[in-house]
Amino acid sequence: AQTVTQSQPEMSVQEAETVTLSCTYDTSESDYYLFWYKQPPSRQMILVIRQEAYKQQNATENRFSVNFQKAAKSFSLKISDSQLGDAAMYFCAYRSTLYGGATNKLIFGTGTLLAVQP
Amino acid sequence: DSGVTQTPKHLITATGQRVTLRCSPRSGDLSVYWYQQSLDQGLQFLIQYYNGEERAKGNILERFSAQQFPDLHSELNLSSLELGDSALYFCASSESTGSVFYEQYFGPGTRLTVT
Repeated sequence: AQTVTQSQPEMSVQEAETVTLSCTYDTSESDYYLFWYKQPPSRQMILVIRQEAYKQQNATENRFSVNFQKAAKSFSLKISDSQLGDAAMYFCAYRSTLYGGATNKLIFGTGTLLAVQP
Repeated sequence: DSGVTQTPKHLITATGQRVTLRCSPRSGDLSVYWYQQSLDQGLQFLIQYYNGEERAKGNILERFSAQQFPDLHSELNLSSLELGDSALYFCASSESTGSVFYEQYFGPGTRLTVT
């Protein structure tokens, strides 16, 4: 079974600085998707960024980028120029690409609570 | 706004009772997923429906059941409620299912408190 681990329960960053959130996962599959979701105090789940495992290039979305290390099964999120609105819980998630069975479910890590200091 | 609606937003009930949570997926989305977010279990997948049929089951208790209706809305039924069932229940929807990527859009959740 696949597992996702986030070892940083809480992180803090100064406004305008850069922060990196860590995530490791375990799987025997060769192809899959990885995601970072943001959950602000409103509790809404918001997709921040996704990475397809077959792509070597790291995904980037504006100030958000990932460092995907497939061999190490590591998937970190870098937030550049941090803003007050980035304060939230961040979840790393895994999804298989295999068809059939419980394959489209998202498997989440335990989350990292990010605080942004003005 | 993701386009996924969930009702009610909050629900407070007593142990032993039964409740129904409702989800309306985004227009055109055929697949519905239910997730539970609790302090001790974290965020976990419960069940998935696709075009009215159950597609996948996760860590869903036998006291819980769900269904997806012909108009594609879904209901999650929780019975014989226990204090530990208190959680935020999310519904998500996606256009389809399978190996191709379809983003799951999350609703705002229903906060269930069992007293």
